[in-house]
Amino acid sequence: QVQLVQSGGEVKKPGASVKVSCKASGYTFPNYGITWVRQAPGQGLEWMGWISTYNGNTNYAQKLQGRLTMTSDSSTSTAYMELRSLRSDDTAVYYCARGGRTVASDYWGQGTLVTVSS
Amino acid sequence: EIVLTQSPGTLSLSPGERATLSCRVSQSVSGTYLAWFQQKPGQAPRLLIYGASGRATDIPDRFSGSGSGTDFTLTISRLEPEDFAVYYCHHYGTSPPLTFGGGTKVEIK
Repeated sequence: QVQLVQSGGEVKKPGASVKVSCKASGYTFPNYGITWVRQAPGQGLEWMGWISTYNGNTNYAQKLQGRLTMTSDSSTSTAYMELRSLRSDDTAVYYCARGGRTVASDYWGQGTLVTVSS
Repeated sequence: EIVLTQSPGTLSLSPGERATLSCRVSQSVSGTYLAWFQQKPGQAPRLLIYGASGRATDIPDRFSGSGSGTDFTLTISRLEPEDFAVYYCHHYGTSPPLTFGGGTKVEIK
């Protein structure tokens, strides 16, 4: 069965970086892109960006450009999201999801809570 | 950037009633790329509807999606206790940036 398993929660200080992993199983990894979405406490869903796991092409939300990098490793079927220069308003649950470009995001990871606090 | 506006913000209904949720898009989009998600507290979103009206795998047929252009609707024909949750519409596809609506909370009256 399709599964996306994310790395564990993180606590970071303002200005630091965080890298969240998303390990996929149960399907052919290069056949579907990976979308990253975040959700601040008590708030709605925010689209962060998408990566093609086939060729590494990316699309990022404009507000995160310059701080966000998405990568993927087909040898381990794992996608990564790195966010730099963290601020308190980056505190959120970060989700990875399969698809999100030509197909809707049908499988989601369990979420990773990133807390940014001094 | 395309903006998705969901209404109402909160819908108070009883089990067995019909729920009608609206998603208005700021510019005409292809219904091919309009989805609906359900989210319960502490859980990841769950895909309900893709392509405006296609039901995702294992989604009960009481959930239906419709609409085109700038106006889309999610209908739950008869609310079950497990349907009380927050619902988001989402424009996905090949023209980023992609966006979510602000959500509609369906609560027990």
